[in-house]
Amino acid sequence: QSALTQPASVSGSPGQSISISCTGTSSDVGGYNYVSWYQQHPGKAPKLFIYDVTKRPSGVSNRFSGSKSGNTASLTISGLQAEDEADYYCSSYSSSSTNVIFGGGTKLTVL
Amino acid sequence: QVQLQESGPGLVKPSETLSLTCTVSGGSVSSGTYYWNWIRQPPGKGLEWIGYISYSGSFNYNPSLKSRVTISVDTSKNQFSVELNSMTAADTAVYYCASRRNGCFDYWGQGTLVTVSS
Repeated sequence: QSALTQPASVSGSPGQSISISCTGTSSDVGGYNYVSWYQQHPGKAPKLFIYDVTKRPSGVSNRFSGSKSGNTASLTISGLQAEDEADYYCSSYSSSSTNVIFGGGTKLTVL
Repeated sequence: QVQLQESGPGLVKPSETLSLTCTVSGGSVSSGTYYWNWIRQPPGKGLEWIGYISYSGSFNYNPSLKSRVTISVDTSKNQFSVELNSMTAADTAVYYCASRRNGCFDYWGQGTLVTVSS
């Protein structure tokens, strides 16, 4: 099964807002509210930032928010900060035999 | 807070079998709340889910790796492990263990780089 589709890169200036999309199918993103987002800095393990489409784990800034419309989920980061520069991955439960599917990742550059 | 730590060889020869272990602390692999997963990331590439096992031994593997992978759990040591046979250069990656609850991977190990080379 193909990975979820994310843009390869996005960029924004400090203080701006950006969104990263994650497009799947009705068998994954569109069919279940089990979309999660992970931030990964170079050389580090991914860290959970959003789960169940819109929920934030304790300790994650409210500048990060998630949403979903149809087969596309989105991560929005408001008030961009230099420390937000990282790779971001979406993931979804899938009813296919794959069970779990990741997006290809998006590199966020803070200009 | 759950903490996970991978251990195993950093170098594997082609055609050999990789064995990695994840030690869990701050939580129990016997917990019915979690599924225990392995995920890998080739250098410069994205994440690939390998599979999971539950405390009861139920499991599920990525179909692309199903013929070569086995995940097991040792409740007495609070560990779970992965074996991947017939290793090739394409299996060179950072391997992560992670706990999964409610559809998301909430805790991750730091990752261990495994290189396949003779």
